[in-house]
Amino acid sequence: DAEITQSPRHKITETGRQVTLACHQTWNHNNMFWYRQDLGHGLRLIHYSYGVQDTNKGEVSDGYSVSRSNTEDLPLTLESAASSQTSVYFCASSQDGNYGYTFGSGTRLTVV
Amino acid sequence: AQSVTQPDIHITVSEGASLELRCNYSYGATPYLFWYVQSPGQGLQLLLKYFSGDTLVQGIKGFEAEFKRSQSSFNLRKPSVHWSDAAEYFCALYNFNKFYFGSGTKLNVKP
Repeated sequence: DAEITQSPRHKITETGRQVTLACHQTWNHNNMFWYRQDLGHGLRLIHYSYGVQDTNKGEVSDGYSVSRSNTEDLPLTLESAASSQTSVYFCASSQDGNYGYTFGSGTRLTVV
Repeated sequence: AQSVTQPDIHITVSEGASLELRCNYSYGATPYLFWYVQSPGQGLQLLLKYFSGDTLVQGIKGFEAEFKRSQSSFNLRKPSVHWSDAAEYFCALYNFNKFYFGSGTKLNVKP
């Protein structure tokens, strides 16, 4: 069955370190997204991609980057982790014309 | 610009009681509206969606939502809540291949 997987499920890192969160989908979806979820803020869009080599900034992109070298993967990199980036991160994918996301199970990141 | 507001952060209802979760949106045209549910430690699951047509939309798990253009609302309802409905609920607006989420309503169910 097609799926979207995130790894790791939990991560603890130190301030200033570079961290990469993985997102892999086997739906063959063109569109992929990264959100962070924080209490009182719902889900906020970090970065998104509409296809290979395409990346776009969302509403809270500072301190984050993504790259899309193939259809299946959209890794999210925190260049220099900060305590304010402690959050739960969700990856999602969708196909053009199909108005709905498929979500991953999330990665809980703690920056100490 | 588009936005979604969920006025209630927490709601507690008794098992078997009816439920209504509020959602208001701001958007210049006919919106595509969604409700998602998130159980603890899980990702988001689609409950229902509205694109056009009948303003009362049926979803999974016995949920329904009514689109009211005059009130810019898309409230989620369930006639009889079960303990397993305890979760966080998100209303979302879809525009140009992206979702804009409300801040969520956490539902507690009393036995």
